[in-house]
Amino acid sequence: EAAVTQSPRNKVTVTGGNVTLSCRQTNSHNYMYWYRQDTGHGLRLIHYSYGAGNLQIGDVPDGYKATRTTQEDFFLLLELASPSQTSLYFCASKTGAYAEQFFGPGTRLTVL
Amino acid sequence: QQQVRQSPQSLTVWEGETAILNCSYENSAFDYFPWYQQFPGEGPALLIAIRSVSDKKEDGRFTIFFNKREKKLSLHITDSQPGDSATYFCAAIMATGGNNKLTFGQGTVLSVIP
Repeated sequence: EAAVTQSPRNKVTVTGGNVTLSCRQTNSHNYMYWYRQDTGHGLRLIHYSYGAGNLQIGDVPDGYKATRTTQEDFFLLLELASPSQTSLYFCASKTGAYAEQFFGPGTRLTVL
Repeated sequence: QQQVRQSPQSLTVWEGETAILNCSYENSAFDYFPWYQQFPGEGPALLIAIRSVSDKKEDGRFTIFFNKREKKLSLHITDSQPGDSATYFCAAIMATGGNNKLTFGQGTVLSVIP
């Protein structure tokens, strides 16, 4: 069973704050993804990566940066957090196009 | 632009009934359609998936019906159980020559009443 972990599980910050969300997968998957989940919008892709050092822009990238430091670790950075970024964030990983995508447990972020 | 749409947004059925969740898509290049199931407090997990070369995929009580011409698919859950109460996401991807991005619908919240 693929394992994807996220930290922190909950985070509260203020407008303008600096936040880093962490994701680690231990199954040597090439592809890693960051999504946000909001009621009425489903899961929307923020950024993704094909491997260490690679970064691809997703569908809702504004206000977010990401970095893939190793095969295992993918970080999402909010340098000037805004209330519109209050959401549930999921990290996911997989090996290929037809492969199952494994999701982490999520991080709930609140920006006051 | 919502490339994958789901209906209804929410659905309530009685235990033992068949729940039907609908999905449509716009991009004819999509060729692989996984459905994910999400319980409260958890991340989504793969439930069942179909490739565009097939028109039906069964796995126990879960069946996907796929209509390529109309760009529609549906998930049928027969003999629904209270434990099936969850949010279901239809997703689509260009598995052949694509960019490995899944596009998700908005989700359908299913409630099964005992």
